[in-house]
Amino acid sequence: QSVLTQPPSASVTPGQRVTISCSGSTSNIGNNYVYWYQQLPGTAPKLLIYRNNQRPSGVPDRISASKSGTSASLAISGLRSEDEADYYCAAWDESLSGVVFGGGTKLTVL
Amino acid sequence: QVQLVESGGGLVKPGGSLRLSCAASGFTFSDYSMNWIRQAPGKGLEWLSYIDGDGSTMYYADSVRGRFTISRDHATNSLFLQMNSLRTEDTAVYYCAREWTYYAYFDFWGQGTLVTVSS
Repeated sequence: QSVLTQPPSASVTPGQRVTISCSGSTSNIGNNYVYWYQQLPGTAPKLLIYRNNQRPSGVPDRISASKSGTSASLAISGLRSEDEADYYCAAWDESLSGVVFGGGTKLTVL
Repeated sequence: QVQLVESGGGLVKPGGSLRLSCAASGFTFSDYSMNWIRQAPGKGLEWLSYIDGDGSTMYYADSVRGRFTISRDHATNSLFLQMNSLRTEDTAVYYCAREWTYYAYFDFWGQGTLVTVSS
């Protein structure tokens, strides 16, 4: 079991919007920044969101994220086939003195 | 441009050892903390270990503490992971990742190296 909880999968049709949740506790999400990573099939993960809701350069503004209390969410609108990937949330955990990841959400664009 | 290139993966028997390397280029290596993260086949990401820029502070996941050792060499701009007492459940792709300013802020990742632990 992962310390951060994500839904294992999500399926949406092209052009629609999807939200992926990430639930944790005060020792991780509650007191630390949340990061989101996208992993396309067969590739290394890539930073998608940093410090809860900031997009690195090159990440389109149809991708957004938020954090509230001990939960966070990633939203992708105007879905395209190239958005099919695994998405992971991550945060520092003060109790574990380590980084914790969510189990990942496999996004399918039907 | 920033590059991280892992090497050293391969097939090893249970109980054996392996040393992974990550060659860094395109940035001032000593300015950045570095991490190792792995992904078992068909599974999610698992953070393993952290080392700060001057190599004085290290953290480990419970699953590898006491068996794995992270280190770095600024003369060669390299990050290492010494893995001892390997188990079948250590089979995974191992990634090195550069950390920027905050824990879990992995702004660059290597392409990964596969470690297979099997008899």
